[in-house]
Amino acid sequence: EVQLVESGGGLVQPGGSLRLSCAASGFTFSDYWMSWVRQAPGRGLEWVANIKQDGRDKQYVDSVKGRFTVSRDNAKNSLYLEMNSLGAEDTAVYYCARDSGDFDTWGQGTLVTVSS
Amino acid sequence: EVVLTQSPATLSLSPGERATLSCRASQSVSNYYFAWYQQKPGQAPRLLIYDTSNRAAGIPARFSGSGSGTDFTLTISSLEPEDFAVYYCHQRYTWRKTFGQGTKLEIK
Repeated sequence: EVQLVESGGGLVQPGGSLRLSCAASGFTFSDYWMSWVRQAPGRGLEWVANIKQDGRDKQYVDSVKGRFTVSRDNAKNSLYLEMNSLGAEDTAVYYCARDSGDFDTWGQGTLVTVSS
Repeated sequence: EVVLTQSPATLSLSPGERATLSCRASQSVSNYYFAWYQQKPGQAPRLLIYDTSNRAAGIPARFSGSGSGTDFTLTISSLEPEDFAVYYCHQRYTWRKTFGQGTKLEIK
C-alpha cells in the first residue's frame, strides 16, 4: 500500500523553527518528485515546495523562500521540511504529497501552530 | 502566478441531482496540467481528475471533467451521499502550482 506519514508538527512561538518529516512506503520513493502542501485552518490548499528525485532541484512558493528548506533522504524514504522564522501566517496543516505532476498520494497531515 | 477562481463557493443539492462545478484560470492552461481534488472534513485531499478529463484510480464514472483554455468543469452526474465535500481545482502549467479556493458541495 502506498503510504505517506507526516510527523513533527506542534506549537511553536513566532520566530521559532520546526522540522517536519514524511515517511514514505509502498512505492519507489526515489522515482518521484515530492511536495509539501499546506492548509490554513478553514482555508484552501497552498503548494509550498517541491524537490526533484535526486534532491538537486527545489522550488518554493514566494512566501516561504529563504525561510523554508525542503530536503529528502532517498536511503531512508523520507522527505523533510525545515521551517525557520515562523509567523502566524504559517499556521496550517502541512501535507506531504507524491508529486507526479499532480498530487496523486497524500499523507494525513501534521498541524503546525505558530502562537505565543 | 495562475489564479484559479471557482464557482459557486457553495452548491446546495440533493442526492441524485447533477452537480456542475466551475473553475476559471487567469490565463490559458494546457489541458494536460489541470486537475480536480476532493476533500472531506478531517481528511487529506484526494485526486479525482487529472489532465482535465481522466479519472484517477478508483474514482467512480459519475465524476467527469471537461474544459480547455481558461474554463474547466467538474460534473458529478448523480450525487451520492459520500460526494458531499469540498472540491478544489488545480493547475501545474506553471512551476508555481496553484489551487482554486474551493467549492463546498452541501446537502440541500
